[in-house]
Amino acid sequence: LAKTTQPISMDSYEGQEVNITCSHNNIATNDYITWYQQFPSQGPRFIIQGYKTKVTNEVASLFIPADRKSSTLSLPRVSLSDTAVYYCLVGDFEMGYALNFGKGTSLLVTP
Amino acid sequence: DADVTQTPRNRITKTGKRIMLECSQTKGHDRMYWYRQDPGLGLRLIYYSFDVKDINKGEISDGYSVSRQAQAKFSLSLESAIPNQTALYFCATSPGQGAVGGELFFGEGSRLTVL
Repeated sequence: LAKTTQPISMDSYEGQEVNITCSHNNIATNDYITWYQQFPSQGPRFIIQGYKTKVTNEVASLFIPADRKSSTLSLPRVSLSDTAVYYCLVGDFEMGYALNFGKGTSLLVTP
Repeated sequence: DADVTQTPRNRITKTGKRIMLECSQTKGHDRMYWYRQDPGLGLRLIYYSFDVKDINKGEISDGYSVSRQAQAKFSLSLESAIPNQTALYFCATSPGQGAVGGELFFGEGSRLTVL
């Protein structure tokens, strides 16, 4: 099961782009990379998922280099409401690997 | 109405009591999960079930048991609650199929306090 490493915390100002990098050196061939966002006292919410290269949706982009040993979640022009904890998960979900979240990255956005 | 419903939302109990947290879902997903969250520790997986006849232990299953009564229902029990089981508990579901099989859908959480 791939182990992930993320920064414990990050700070940003409103309007800036925020990049959160997750390291997963032992990612397996069938593993996908998924990012979640969690606000206090709420369940995590799916942000984006990818396998390789770049994935973009309406809220974020996910950059995955060719070796797939890391991934970067990019949040464009953050606002105060983006203050949350962000989790990176790696696993072959179809094969049934347990989905452990780890401690995540606590992002604080200030005016 | 929420797709993943947890009951109770808040519960205070005493050491040694038996507690059951219930989860029901209307998403039609086969896979269901129970997580525990403690301040500063992220979410840790307690048990998960990929169908009614499949139950698996997660990272921290000691002191807990589960029952998958139907596709839509997954209950977590604390047979004899202890104070260090005070935490926020989340139930989640996932479709488990295809490229987005990893997307989890969470309930609103059940806050348990054991005195």
